[in-house]
Amino acid sequence: EPEVTQTPSHQVTQMGQEVILRCVPISNHLYFYWYRQILGQKVEFLVSFYNNEISEKSEIFDDQFSVERPDGSNFTLKIRSTKLEDSAMYFCACRGQETQYFGPGTRLLVL
Amino acid sequence: GESVGLHLPTLSVQEGDNSIINCAYSNSASDYFIWYKQESGKGPQFIIDIRSNMDKRQGQRVTVLLNKTVKHLSLQIAATQPGDSAVYFCAENAGNNRKLIWGLGTSLGVNP
Repeated sequence: EPEVTQTPSHQVTQMGQEVILRCVPISNHLYFYWYRQILGQKVEFLVSFYNNEISEKSEIFDDQFSVERPDGSNFTLKIRSTKLEDSAMYFCACRGQETQYFGPGTRLLVL
Repeated sequence: GESVGLHLPTLSVQEGDNSIINCAYSNSASDYFIWYKQESGKGPQFIIDIRSNMDKRQGQRVTVLLNKTVKHLSLQIAATQPGDSAVYFCAENAGNNRKLIWGLGTSLGVNP
């Protein structure tokens, strides 16, 4: 069964450093998403991406965040200058028709 | 504003019993609803979905009920097993970009 993969599974970084979180979506899916989940809180939408451009973003997704699909298979989330409050699980999701399928997540810890 | 919330943060059931997890939503424009299961340290796993033109949908051991009049969703798990222990989220899907709006989650524990 096709699945979404994410790397790394864990990332520890210093405040102010850049991080890139990577996702390989299901191959024939065209809609891509990033969500985050701060420990003990609900999942929050960050951004949706379709046809090589952002289709919607939340208030969380400020100028420090960016996404791209550099090679037609990977889908990346970059945080340019991490803050302590960026510590969370980051989930990539994709969909073909209606249902969104999620990756296992990257746990980001900013120290 | 948009919101999805869960009535019960925790639920404990005996193995073999049926479980019912409830969810309220507030966006009457939402047309698609999904239940996800999240085990510790893992990503949300799709369980079952339902469109707003339906009021019931059944899967293997799971049933989702939708009551649009009171904006309420429920997930029923038949013959609950230890492997069903997880946090269950309902999410609603609205808008052209189909972003998911999530509730807080209900933690289901199954006693042997």
